[in-house]
Amino acid sequence: SYVLTQPPSVSLAPGKTARITCGGNNIGGKSVHWYQQRPGQAPVLVIYYDSDRPSGIPERFSGSNSGNTATLTISRVEAEDEADYFCQVWDNNSDHVLFGGGTKLTVL
Amino acid sequence: VQLLESGGGAVQPGGSLRLSCVASGFTFDDYTMHWVRQLPGKGLEWVSLVVWDGGKTYYADSVKGRFTVSRDNRKNTLYLEMNSLRPEDSAWYHCGKDYGGRDYGALDIWGQGAKVTVSS
Repeated sequence: SYVLTQPPSVSLAPGKTARITCGGNNIGGKSVHWYQQRPGQAPVLVIYYDSDRPSGIPERFSGSNSGNTATLTISRVEAEDEADYFCQVWDNNSDHVLFGGGTKLTVL
Repeated sequence: VQLLESGGGAVQPGGSLRLSCVASGFTFDDYTMHWVRQLPGKGLEWVSLVVWDGGKTYYADSVKGRFTVSRDNRKNTLYLEMNSLRPEDSAWYHCGKDYGGRDYGALDIWGQGAKVTVSS
């Protein structure tokens, strides 16, 4: 079955650029979506279809997808960006929605 | 635009529950809808989806044959019937609206969730 792999954690100082990866076999051939989840809250879609940004999501959030890795990039990280981030795809071989294990972003 | 779940609670192993999710603020019957669950302190696990008219449904392997997703477009309501519940089904269950693009899965609206606890 298809597996999405994310690093468990990423830590960096405010103002730096965070890059959160999501690995999968030829993930570049799939559409990847990214969610932010703050403690005690429901997930929020921050990037859809690899690189589109929903209204209300800051331009600091961007996405890319190629080869075996999709990447969520958060520029000029702020304290409010501290959250869990999940990648997600539709696997049309299994007809399943799949989530990555999640990455905890810590802003030092 | 809002999704509001209800029907969660505590149940013994082998028991049943039905979750509901009432939608407002968008044209419900235009969109595929999903159920996603989250164990406390853990990641997200997709459970099921149903297309706009109920004509297609898909399930995670972990719930297939035990859970049934359905919708009533007249009532703007999504359902999840859960049978033969196991302790490992204990989680927060969220309903989500699909964005509606070329693939399933971009959930642009989420409910706050309903808590299900399966324990003897």
